Amino acid sequence: GDSVTQMEGPVTLSEEAFLTINCTYTATGYPSLFWYVQYPGEGLQLLLKATKADDKGSNKGFEATYRKETTSFHLEKGSVQVSDSAVYFCALKSGGSNYKLTFGKGTLLTVNP
Amino acid sequence: EAGVTQFPSHSVIEKGQTVTLRCDPISGHDNLYWYRRVMGKEIKFLLHFVKESKQDESGMPNNRFLAERTGGTYSTLKVQPAELEDSGVYFCASSQDPQGLAEAFFGQGTRLTVV
Repeated sequence: GDSVTQMEGPVTLSEEAFLTINCTYTATGYPSLFWYVQYPGEGLQLLLKATKADDKGSNKGFEATYRKETTSFHLEKGSVQVSDSAVYFCALKSGGSNYKLTFGKGTLLTVNP
Repeated sequence: EAGVTQFPSHSVIEKGQTVTLRCDPISGHDNLYWYRRVMGKEIKFLLHFVKESKQDESGMPNNRFLAERTGGTYSTLKVQPAELEDSGVYFCASSQDPQGLAEAFFGQGTRLTVV
């Protein structure tokens, strides 16, 4: 079945550091890929997505590129801020008519000033 | 416009008791989803409603879990009787697009602790 593997946390960085959170997946067909973020006390929010190979999703300075050859969708940000502290989830959605998502375990990011 | 709202935000119950979680989707969203995150593990799909009908309940762990969506508006998820392994965060999401192409919006989750 479908699965998502993302790097174990927690990740602790200083402000303005470079961030990478690795995500690889296993899926049949051509899934859509997502990064969700959960800020403290809030619900899951869609951060960015990519729906086909070589697409790059971007939002709020975060980027991730859909790499079919390596089945990866790594999240990157060039300069993190304290406000980026949150739990980040990589997810995929296989083809189909509903929004059934398969998530990774989540990575807790803490950014210190 | 109000987002997806879940009640309660936290619940602590004893093993063997019953708990009912509620989800109010965004108005007009026919699709409603329940997910669960057990501590340290993945967020897992539980089930999907289209209006009041269960479209996919393949993720429901066992028959102690009962989800309903009477009238196709809000949904409830009842756990009866609760067991220790039911502890976790229960998320609800809703979306408008029947083709599953539009974004699903998530609630803030209900943290359930069974002691």
